[in-house]
Amino acid sequence: GQQVMQIPQYQHVQEGEDFTTYCNSSTTLSNIQWYKQRPGGHPVFLIQLVKSGEVKKQKRLTFQFGEAKKNSSLHITATQTTDVGTYFCAGKNTNDYKLSFGAGTTVTVRA
Amino acid sequence: EAQVTQNPRYLITVTGKKLTVTCSQNMNHEYMSWYRQDPGLGLRQIYYSMNVEVTDKGDVPEGYKVSRKEKRNFPLILESPSPNQTSLYFCASRTGTHGYEQYFGPGTRLTVT
Repeated sequence: GQQVMQIPQYQHVQEGEDFTTYCNSSTTLSNIQWYKQRPGGHPVFLIQLVKSGEVKKQKRLTFQFGEAKKNSSLHITATQTTDVGTYFCAGKNTNDYKLSFGAGTTVTVRA
Repeated sequence: EAQVTQNPRYLITVTGKKLTVTCSQNMNHEYMSWYRQDPGLGLRQIYYSMNVEVTDKGDVPEGYKVSRKEKRNFPLILESPSPNQTSLYFCASRTGTHGYEQYFGPGTRLTVT
């Protein structure tokens, strides 16, 4: 079955620095979604990427979908304390309705 | 306000005592899912439903049951809970079946002793 791997599992960032989290699928995806879960909260949808090579930006967050539609990345610039949380990618297979979630990248920020 | 609600939010129970976690959404979504979240394992899908009376197994269905008799409700049933079902459970819903954003409930923290 489809597997979605996400790295790194943990990311400790100095406030103001940039970081990237990566998501890789064992199969070609029809789309990929990103979610953010604040500590003690529930996952909240951030964005969906559908097209090969697609790049979308939300303020300091840049999301990218690979050309082969098997990988994705989330890059955060000038990290702030509000960026603390766990970021999940979720890939949808091309031939079924399921979303497969990565294990998440938990981000902590040093002020 | 568009939302997914779950009850209870916290539950401590004993092995073998049947329990139900309710989930309800007010967005008229067709698709609903149950996930469990465990440290280092992310969100794993337990069961999902594409519409009323249509349910299917996710990745970790053993020990769980679901039903979808009404569009808005999707309860999760543990007939005989065991300690390995101690986890954080999320219900989620979305419109359609082709990759729209999911809305998650607030979560249910279950402890089975």
